[in-house]
Amino acid sequence: SQQGEEDPQALSIQEGENATMNCSYKTSINNLQWYRQNSGRGLVHLILIRSNEREKHSGRLRVTLDTSKKSSSLLITASRAADTASYFCATEGNTPLVFGKGTRLSVIA
Amino acid sequence: KAGVTQTPRYLIKTRGQQVTLSCSPISGHRSVSWYQQTPGQGLQFLFEYFSETQRNKGNFPGRFSGRQFSNSRSEMNVSTLELGDSALYLCASRPGTSLSTEAFFGQGTRLTVV
Repeated sequence: SQQGEEDPQALSIQEGENATMNCSYKTSINNLQWYRQNSGRGLVHLILIRSNEREKHSGRLRVTLDTSKKSSSLLITASRAADTASYFCATEGNTPLVFGKGTRLSVIA
Repeated sequence: KAGVTQTPRYLIKTRGQQVTLSCSPISGHRSVSWYQQTPGQGLQFLFEYFSETQRNKGNFPGRFSGRQFSNSRSEMNVSTLELGDSALYLCASRPGTSLSTEAFFGQGTRLTVV
């Protein structure tokens, strides 16, 4: 069963704009991770945030975590056409990584 | 370091047949997890192996099985294939000594059951 639920399911923006994706989950977690997948290929790890952290940055990525609301957001700033992909949140608690169904991001040049 | 290698990349099988997929993790990684990805159900956890022992199992029927060898390479087997088993099967490797580490994924095996 899915733990994380991403929102929106699909997002289309212009190059240079920011993209925000949200993830909600149901049970307590040790950490939450974000992954990217290009066209049915393998997943690539983007960022990991632990349950005692509130915000993390990596390059153009910013992730926030609110454990009281059981939610996380991924912000991609100054998006590029190469950012077009599906983005998944994955939670880890007492079970291994459990993925949501993802947000499909399209960045139009 | 070489990445996670999955073989074969593509496979076409007939209903009722069985199939074996292979995953070679990153050198030194002892944990291998398998996921099934379909458009309808998304990424679903199949099982995780650590040091040749199944450490966790997802909610899949007994037709899905796996194993891990002493060199950490893993195989998964699906018997009596059904059309619904058509999916992208992904393998992920992690060091395995603790949680809160990133998972490294292979490119997947695309299985089509006809």
